[in-house]
Amino acid sequence: ETGVTQSPTHLIKTRGQQVTLRCSSQSGHNTVSWYQQALGQGPQFIFQYYREEENGRGNFPPRFSGLQFPNYSSELNVNALELDDSALYLCASSFKGGEETQYFGPGTRLLVL
Amino acid sequence: GNSVTQMEGPVTLSEEAFLTINCTYTATGYPSLFWYVQYPGEGLQLLLKATKADDKGSNKGFEATYRKETTSFHLEKGSVQVSDSAVYFCALYPNTGNQFYFGTGTSLTVIP
Repeated sequence: ETGVTQSPTHLIKTRGQQVTLRCSSQSGHNTVSWYQQALGQGPQFIFQYYREEENGRGNFPPRFSGLQFPNYSSELNVNALELDDSALYLCASSFKGGEETQYFGPGTRLLVL
Repeated sequence: GNSVTQMEGPVTLSEEAFLTINCTYTATGYPSLFWYVQYPGEGLQLLLKATKADDKGSNKGFEATYRKETTSFHLEKGSVQVSDSAVYFCALYPNTGNQFYFGTGTSLTVIP
C-alpha cells in the first residue's frame, strides 16, 4: 500500500505566474482534499474532489482551481500568484463517506517572490 | 461556526516532564476531534482521535479526552521524550461538512 505523494517538494515562482501542484492519493482512496498551511499557521481547507468534481470549497478565490483524474490523482492550480500564496500545500486522501480518516502527503512548499 | 483554539507556543520541556497542550473548540453539532503531529519537513500524521463525548483517544503515550461540557480536547503525556519534539495541531471534523478545521499549532521542543 503506497501513501500519499506530492510533487514537487519545493517550488519558487514570481508574482503573477501560474503554478500546478500534483498529488497521488493513497491506494484505494477516491477523495482528495487540498489544504494551504501558511508559516506558523494551521492548515486551511481549499477544496475537495470526488469523482472528478469539486465537492466542497473553503474561503479561497477562483484563481485556486483543481482537477481530479480517473485514477484519483489530483492537481491544484493557482493562477496570478500573489506573495501571500507562499505556503506549504498539503494534499490528503480518503474514502468517500470516511473523510474523517484522511492521510496527508508531505506537502509542496511554494515560495512566491 | 466551527473553530479550534489551542495553546500558544512554543513549549520547551525537559525529557520525562509532563506535557499538556490545551485545545478548545466551537462547533455546530457533534464533531469528531483530533490531534495531528507534524515533524520538521513532513506532512501531518494522525496522533489520536475521539468521535463522541467522554471518549478518550490515546496513542504512543499521548491521551486526550473529549469534554463536551467544557468544549475541550487537551493533549497530555506523562513523560515526554526528545523524539516528541514537533508541532501539534488540534482539529475538528464536523458531523456535517467535509473539511477539517485546525488550530494554529503548538511547537514542542524536548531537551535532554
